[in-house]
Amino acid sequence: NAGVTQTPKFQVLKTGQSMTLQCAQDMNHNSMYWYRQDPGMGLRLIYYSASEGTTDKGEVPNGYNVSRLNKREFSLRLESAAPSQTSVYFCATITDRLNTEAFFGQGTRLTVV
Amino acid sequence: GQQVMQIPQYQHVQEGEDFTTYCNSSTTLSNIQWYKQRPGGHPVFLIQLVKSGEVKKQKRLTFQFGEAKKNSSLHITATQTTDVGTYFCAGRGTGGFKTIFGAGTRLFVKA
Repeated sequence: NAGVTQTPKFQVLKTGQSMTLQCAQDMNHNSMYWYRQDPGMGLRLIYYSASEGTTDKGEVPNGYNVSRLNKREFSLRLESAAPSQTSVYFCATITDRLNTEAFFGQGTRLTVV
Repeated sequence: GQQVMQIPQYQHVQEGEDFTTYCNSSTTLSNIQWYKQRPGGHPVFLIQLVKSGEVKKQKRLTFQFGEAKKNSSLHITATQTTDVGTYFCAGRGTGGFKTIFGAGTRLFVKA
């Protein structure tokens, strides 16, 4: 029982390159979230998916796209990476509307040069 | 849109001193959660508050949810070096799925 698994753990990209961050959960949760964390900025919501087949924008969606492939997987894509997207990215899952405890993956540390 | 503000940004304390972080939302919340993140780690859930005026305790930690369900606080009594980390509040608005985090308060404890 791994909980929430993110891949890769580290990545360095050149400006303009694209990549997809993967997130998979084995907790059978409906809701999944992508956050980015910058020093002193806390966790900012990029996109979320309340259930399989739905996605919605969060606080900072520009430059990102997401796919809720199935109940287990929620991917985040950077089509053309920019240095401003250098950050630590966290995927999280939440079980349902009432119980809103979030379980986080270990994070992906992304550097765009 | 919904905003969650948290103060202070940093707090340095001597071991044994108390510590408090405050969280304020621009909108009424259905609930609020508190998380702790150790340096280099990921946020870990501490507690959830749901009811107006609710107070919960976990050993030396006391959590409060305001009467208007727009603010909350976390108080640590007699800090220890193991309390070092960043404490985040996170709020969910009524009727929605968006969970918005505060910027966090980073706690430094000097032995």
